[in-house]
Amino acid sequence: DAGVTQSPTHLIKTRGQQVTLRCSPKSGHDTVSWYQQALGQGPQFIFQYYEEEERQRGNFPDRFSGHQFPNYSSELNVNALLLGDSALYLCASSFGQGVYYEQYFGPGTRLTVT
Amino acid sequence: AQTVTQSQPEMSVQEAETVTLSCTYDTSESNYYLFWYKQPPSRQMILVIRQEAYKQQNATENRFSVNFQKAAKSFSLKISDSQLGDTAMYFCAFMKHEGGSEKLVFGKGTKLTVNP
Repeated sequence: DAGVTQSPTHLIKTRGQQVTLRCSPKSGHDTVSWYQQALGQGPQFIFQYYEEEERQRGNFPDRFSGHQFPNYSSELNVNALLLGDSALYLCASSFGQGVYYEQYFGPGTRLTVT
Repeated sequence: AQTVTQSQPEMSVQEAETVTLSCTYDTSESNYYLFWYKQPPSRQMILVIRQEAYKQQNATENRFSVNFQKAAKSFSLKISDSQLGDTAMYFCAFMKHEGGSEKLVFGKGTKLTVNP
């Protein structure tokens, strides 16, 4: 049973560029959440996707956008990158809405903005 | 707003001994879930233990147990018989139910080092 996978593992971008991160949820899961973890901090919620729609959003600017595909996989897009966007981006999957199910995390994508 | 506070940035323990990590949270909700996650240097966030607020019995998973004090809004993690593989960042998290969906609110973490 494959767990949550993310790609790429790490990447380096320049300020002003755009980046796309990808996530495949755990088998049987239909909900994907994205978190940003700055160095030395706990993860911060970016947004959650269910049924190909953004269901909830954290305190992040519109430069952060996402998408969920019919197979439940998801992408996180960040436009006009800033140095402060450098972080570990975690994807978590779960099943259903309105129920308290565990979120299973992927290994993350380390983004460095120079 | 829900907040999660971990007051111990770093802790260390000798192998085979017991250590307790502290966590307090603030919420006005009556039913909620609390979690402890472990993040080793490999970065993979791993669920250690889960507590449902409506259950008075403290959760236990092998060497890991919690002391859940709902009135005090305290949720500490006890690791017994510490092993070298327990070395990691430990995050306390509160699951917030909002608008029909759920999100995790994390503390800043406690770095635990198990010494041989």
